[in-house]
Amino acid sequence: DGGITQSPKYLFRKEGQNVTLSCEQNLNHDAMYWYRQDPGQGLRLIYYSQIVNDFQKGDIAEGYSVSREKKESFPLTVTSAQKNPTAFYLCASSNRQGPYTFGSGTRLTVV
Amino acid sequence: AQSVTQLGSHVSVSEGALVLLRCNYSSSVPPYLFWYVQYPNQGLQLLLKYTSAATLVKGINGFEAEFKKSETSFHLTKPSAHMSDAAEYFCAVSARNTNAGKSTFGDGTTLTVKP
Repeated sequence: DGGITQSPKYLFRKEGQNVTLSCEQNLNHDAMYWYRQDPGQGLRLIYYSQIVNDFQKGDIAEGYSVSREKKESFPLTVTSAQKNPTAFYLCASSNRQGPYTFGSGTRLTVV
Repeated sequence: AQSVTQLGSHVSVSEGALVLLRCNYSSSVPPYLFWYVQYPNQGLQLLLKYTSAATLVKGINGFEAEFKKSETSFHLTKPSAHMSDAAEYFCAVSARNTNAGKSTFGDGTTLTVKP
């Protein structure tokens, strides 16, 4: 079955450490997205990519980086510059104007 | 430019009662509209979508939504709430006739179902 896989489900980060969240899709979707979700808040767009080797900043890109070397993969790195990274991170993919397919999320906690 | 407003961040209904979650949109071009549901600690799941066919759209789990262009609304309804409907619901809009498929999401509405 086609779908979108995020890993790990839970991730712990020490102060000053970079961590990378994985997102892989086998839906042959062109576009992929990363969102951050905090308790009681909606979805905030971090980065998105509409084609391979190209991506754009969303509303809250500071402290994050991405790459899109393959159509199937869109990893997100949370850098040490992100001062408040504790949140639930969601990856999604879509075709043109289509609905999004979401992954099951990664919960990142700073320890 | 496009935007979505979900009226009411929290809605509480009794089991068996009508569910009505409100969504108004703004779009400079004809829109596609979506409703998603999110259960705790999970990703979002598509409930239904409007893409220009029938204005009354039926989705999963007994939900439906009606596109009303004159009111720029896409409200989500279900005739009889179940306890399992308790979740967060998001309305989203994307612009048709563009190469950019990026959706704009509302802030979400948390639905509580009382026994």
